[in-house]
Amino acid sequence: AQSVTQPDIHITVSEGASLELRCNYSYGATPYLFWYVQSPGQGLQLLLKYFSGDTLVQGIKGFEAEFKRSQSSFNLRKLSVHWSDAAEYFCAVGAANFGNEKLTFGTGTRLTIIP
Amino acid sequence: KAGVTQTPRYLIKTRGQQVTLSCSPISGHRSVSWYQQTPGQGLQFLFEYFSETQRNKGNFPGRFSGRQFSNSRSEMNVSTLELGDSALYLCASSGGITDTQYFGPGTRLTVL
Repeated sequence: AQSVTQPDIHITVSEGASLELRCNYSYGATPYLFWYVQSPGQGLQLLLKYFSGDTLVQGIKGFEAEFKRSQSSFNLRKLSVHWSDAAEYFCAVGAANFGNEKLTFGTGTRLTIIP
Repeated sequence: KAGVTQTPRYLIKTRGQQVTLSCSPISGHRSVSWYQQTPGQGLQFLFEYFSETQRNKGNFPGRFSGRQFSNSRSEMNVSTLELGDSALYLCASSGGITDTQYFGPGTRLTVL
């Protein structure tokens, strides 16, 4: 069974500082990996995804993530955070075979930005 | 292209009632998945429909059911509501081999 661990429940970062959100997954085959962001009262917005190929993927809003198979990790990074990045971030893993649309999510990391 | 839409956005029901939530996927998407989000359990997969057939189901009781229509629109139904069913219900649609799921804004269900 697939699973996702986001070890940090809450992270506080100063505006302009760099950010790294951790994600570890467990899956028996090649995973599809995703990062979504959720603002209060909203649905989930896709930031980026990894299916195959280059292990460093670029997403929207200046975010990037690196897939490290040896560490079963898919950490999200941003060089310089903006106040508007304050939200909850979810890492998710999906099955890499067409026909299985079930995503397994981590518990989320809430990001607070201080001026 | 319009995104995933969900109706209603907010709903208040009492215990024992039933409720139906609706989801319209992105045009051309044939797969619709439903998720429940609560503070205690996080995001949990309910079920997924493709071409009017349920392909995957999560670990939820039979009170939770769904269906998909020929135009790919989907509904989920919860019967005999319990207080613990209060949650944000999210619908996601996907299409094509990349399987990326795009989420709607959700329906906030409150059970009193």
